[in-house]
Amino acid sequence: GENVEQHPSTLSVQEGDSAVIKCTYSDSASNYFPWYKQELGKRPQLIIDIRSNVGEKKDQRIAVTLNKTAKHFSLHITETQPEDSAVYFCAASTTGGFKTIFGAGTRLFVKA
Amino acid sequence: EPEVTQTPSHQVTQMGQEVILRCVPISNHLYFYWYRQILGQKVEFLVSFYNNEISEKSEIFDDQFSVERPDGSNFTLKIRSTKLEDSAMYFCASSEAEGLYFGPGTRLTVT
Repeated sequence: GENVEQHPSTLSVQEGDSAVIKCTYSDSASNYFPWYKQELGKRPQLIIDIRSNVGEKKDQRIAVTLNKTAKHFSLHITETQPEDSAVYFCAASTTGGFKTIFGAGTRLFVKA
Repeated sequence: EPEVTQTPSHQVTQMGQEVILRCVPISNHLYFYWYRQILGQKVEFLVSFYNNEISEKSEIFDDQFSVERPDGSNFTLKIRSTKLEDSAMYFCASSEAEGLYFGPGTRLTVT
């Protein structure tokens, strides 16, 4: 069945450094890849997404890249700040599909 | 900005009891979902709902689970006979197309 693998499970960086989280997906029909941020005790919130017809997308300090051939996609956070500390989930779905599959999550710690 | 709302925020129930979790999706959204998250684990898909019927469901969503849109605003998840392993945070979500907007969740504790 569909599966999304996410690495690392935990990531600790110094404030100002970059953080990279990587995911792979199994369903070749997947063409929509959102990323969600979940702060402790809160709901997951969509922070950025990318579609399969695009290789890279940037929004201020966050960027996502997609390699459809290799079925890899990544989240890059530059100039990390303590408020970036949270659990980040990658996900994959198909356009018009009704199921979004989530990765296991990466717990990001940004040390001041 | 409109948000998905859920009630109750916390539900404690005894094993074998029925529970109904309630959600009010964002008003112009057409797709509705239930996900669950066991403490510290990934967000797991349960079911999606569109045009007044189930679109997809996971293996978790067995005969003990059902969903309903009883009126134009509410979307409910019913668990008929709760088990200890049903203890989790249940998130409702809605979407206009792609990209899920989650509610704050209902923490279900089965004792």
